[in-house]
Amino acid sequence: DAKTTQPPSMDCAEGRAANLPCNHSTISGNEYVYWYRQIHSQGPQYIIHGLKNNETNEMASLIITEDRKSSTLILPHATLRDTAVYYCIVRAIIQGAQKLVFGQGTRLTINP
Amino acid sequence: NAGVTQTPKFQVLKTGQSMTLQCAQDMNHEYMSWYRQDPGMGLRLIHYSVGAGITDQGEVPNGYNVSRSTTEDFPLRLLSAAPSQTSVYFCASSYSMRNTEAFFGQGTRLTVV
Repeated sequence: DAKTTQPPSMDCAEGRAANLPCNHSTISGNEYVYWYRQIHSQGPQYIIHGLKNNETNEMASLIITEDRKSSTLILPHATLRDTAVYYCIVRAIIQGAQKLVFGQGTRLTINP
Repeated sequence: NAGVTQTPKFQVLKTGQSMTLQCAQDMNHEYMSWYRQDPGMGLRLIHYSVGAGITDQGEVPNGYNVSRSTTEDFPLRLLSAAPSQTSVYFCASSYSMRNTEAFFGQGTRLTVV
């Protein structure tokens, strides 16, 4: 499985854009990049995913570099409720089944 | 839709006891899985199922059994609980094994004393 590297923690002011980086230099051509977040020990929540094109939904934007070795999750207008641990995951297909491999993630703190 | 429902939310077991963590989803999802999360660590995959009657091992399967007799239910069994199994357990489901989002339950916090 491709490994991901994320900073352990980040801070962002409320109302500003939060940019969370992720390195996945060994990603394979058919592996997607997924982002999940976990708010205070709740179950992880899906945010967004992409293969090589930039993606946007109601929660966030995902920017993937052209060589696919890194990506950035952007929360355009962070609120206090966005304080959470954010996981960048490269999703592998193991024997025909998906497998989400969660690393340590980035603990994002939104400050008032 | 209730989504993914896990029961119980909290459980304390004595070493050697057995129990079953329940997981049910009402979204007609093919794929279901169990993870455990320990302090300071990410989630680790225990077992998964790609459909009724089909299960397979994940990263940390020892000490756990699963079965998938229906599409909706995917129980996780601890046959003889050990303190090392103290953890928070999450069940997840997704529509298929293809590239779709996973829905997680709210977790079961298990303490083995």
